[in-house]
Amino acid sequence: GQQVMQIPQYQHVQEGEDFTTYCNSSTTLSNIQWYKQRPGGHPVFLIQLVKSGEVKKQKRLTFQFGEAKKNSSLHITATQTTDVGTYFCAGSGNTPLVFGKGTRLSVIA
Amino acid sequence: ETGVTQSPTHLIKTRGQQVTLRCSSQSGHNTVSWYQQALGQGPQFIFQYYREEENGRGNFPPRFSGLQFPNYSSELNVNALELDDSALYLCASSVQDTYEQYFGPGTRLTVT
Repeated sequence: GQQVMQIPQYQHVQEGEDFTTYCNSSTTLSNIQWYKQRPGGHPVFLIQLVKSGEVKKQKRLTFQFGEAKKNSSLHITATQTTDVGTYFCAGSGNTPLVFGKGTRLSVIA
Repeated sequence: ETGVTQSPTHLIKTRGQQVTLRCSSQSGHNTVSWYQQALGQGPQFIFQYYREEENGRGNFPPRFSGLQFPNYSSELNVNALELDDSALYLCASSVQDTYEQYFGPGTRLTVT
């Protein structure tokens, strides 16, 4: 079945440093979504990417969807302590939404 | 706040017992999806309900079943609980044919 892999599993950064998490699917996706889950909280929808090569920005967050629609990335510029949490990608192909295991981001002030 | 509510917040059950978890959708949403999130893992899709019918199912055994009611609220039932069923159970509501899902706060189930 479809698998979605995320790296790294953990990332510790100093406040102000950049952060990137990568997502790879075993199959071509029709779309990919990104979620953020704060410690003890629930996933919160951030964005969906649909088009090959699509790039979307939300303030300091930049999301990319690969040309082959099998990979995606989330880049945060100049991290802040409010960015702490686990970032999940979730892909949809011919299957229901499949989540990666997430990247847990810690930001040291 | 997302508007999606779940009850109970926490639950402790014994292996072999049955459990029912409840979810109220955000106003205007007609689709509910249920996910299981084990510690340190991403949410795993259990099933989705639309117009009171199952509209897609993940790789979960039949002892996981659900209902959706006319007001779009939903229940997740798990029979013959196993220790590995211990997890955070999340429901997410959405509007059919749209992609943005709103998750509830979850029910933390512990099976002993």
